[in-house]
Amino acid sequence: DAGITQSPRHKVTETGTPVTLRCHQTENHRYMYWYRQDPGHGLRLIHYSYGVKDTDKGEVSDGYSVSRSKTEDFLLTLESATSSQTSVYFCAISPGTGRYYGYTFGSGTRLTVV
Amino acid sequence: GQQLNQSPQSMFIQEGEDVSMNCTSSSIFNTWLWYKQDPGEGPVLLIALYKAGELTSNGRLTAQFGITRKDSFLNISASIPSDVGIYFCAGQDSNYQLIWGAGTKLIIKP
Repeated sequence: DAGITQSPRHKVTETGTPVTLRCHQTENHRYMYWYRQDPGHGLRLIHYSYGVKDTDKGEVSDGYSVSRSKTEDFLLTLESATSSQTSVYFCAISPGTGRYYGYTFGSGTRLTVV
Repeated sequence: GQQLNQSPQSMFIQEGEDVSMNCTSSSIFNTWLWYKQDPGEGPVLLIALYKAGELTSNGRLTAQFGITRKDSFLNISASIPSDVGIYFCAGQDSNYQLIWGAGTKLIIKP
């Protein structure tokens, strides 16, 4: 039932290297989100998109950039990975905003920066 | 920024026990949500609450939207092994942004 897939599922990278995570959806939903999940913090919003080429910053956007050139793909890039970016990253999709429409989450990408 | 205080942080339960967890906020929310996350997966929506005072059930799960719009609770009755996981509350503010609690981890006592 994978209307949303994230890749890769796991990645280990070195400090200072660029990393790109991909979120792909088949639901044609307008909104896409990138979150990070760390123990004791719940989910924190990094960036979100409300349409092709339309993106905005979330609560913890420093050190991250995003791009959305197609409705189905939302990329998250760590320009120069740091150890503090070791986390589990989740992508979510939603058909709309306003009254809560419901988010569907991907299975996550576990990123380790060494 | 806005914060949600979710408690307890973790719970050890025995099969058959009832479970209760709650979230409180210093801010008012328009919508309260409860999600469950299984290991290695993303969160899945359990219950959505849209009006102050609303009480909603989903099987053995019951959640309420507090009258003050600053809190919500989730109850699980007669817990079973597959209830283990992390439960998150989230509130949607007036800007339609979701604010998340830190989670309640449910663990089965051996």
